[in-house]
Amino acid sequence: RKEVEQDPGPFNVPEGATVAFNCTYSNSASQSFFWYRQDCRKEPKLLMSVYSSGNEDGRFTAQLNRASQYISLLIRDSKLSDSATYLCVVKSGGFKTIFGAGTRLFVKA
Amino acid sequence: NAGVTQTPKFQVLKTGQSMTLQCAQDMNHNSMYWYRQDPGMGLRLIYYSASEGTTDKGEVPNGYNVSRLNKREFSLRLESAAPSQTSVYFCASSDSPNTGELFFGEGSRLTVL
Repeated sequence: RKEVEQDPGPFNVPEGATVAFNCTYSNSASQSFFWYRQDCRKEPKLLMSVYSSGNEDGRFTAQLNRASQYISLLIRDSKLSDSATYLCVVKSGGFKTIFGAGTRLFVKA
Repeated sequence: NAGVTQTPKFQVLKTGQSMTLQCAQDMNHNSMYWYRQDPGMGLRLIYYSASEGTTDKGEVPNGYNVSRLNKREFSLRLESAAPSQTSVYFCASSDSPNTGELFFGEGSRLTVL
């Protein structure tokens, strides 16, 4: 079983839609959680950190469920520019950072 | 503001050839990393350098060597390239391992024939 698992998608949604991605992790000792965004043939970039209390950044909301060991990312009012691959990232302390394989999102006009 | 710079961006090698991927960061970060990314898999850590003068193995170190030349530069060497090393390689840096944000270079696409 992979340490961090994501639905690879692709998710195809129209502009303005709300879309949600989940990510599960296997290590209950994981300490920090993040979502990165990776555009096609580009490098990953930090989208947002995920806090236990949940956090929001504009149209993006991230939540953490430690009991069930998953994190989620909600994108409201999708834009064409949101089309990308979203990487779930889990840190277990020190330099151990595990990346999920990513969920591909296509937003169409 | 260059951030993390990798060279070369593209390279084609024949099996058995050697090459070095160069990486430099201008953010005065202590920690630097080399990852590889393959289709259907997450980024996997090859080697990292917690600080100048130290290097450690990551998840997939076999077939690679690294050098932390100074605080800015961290190179990855393939001594005898194999087709299984065909991948996209990303260098990254961070201020400390306790922060989540990794800053990545644009990637180096390597094909081994």
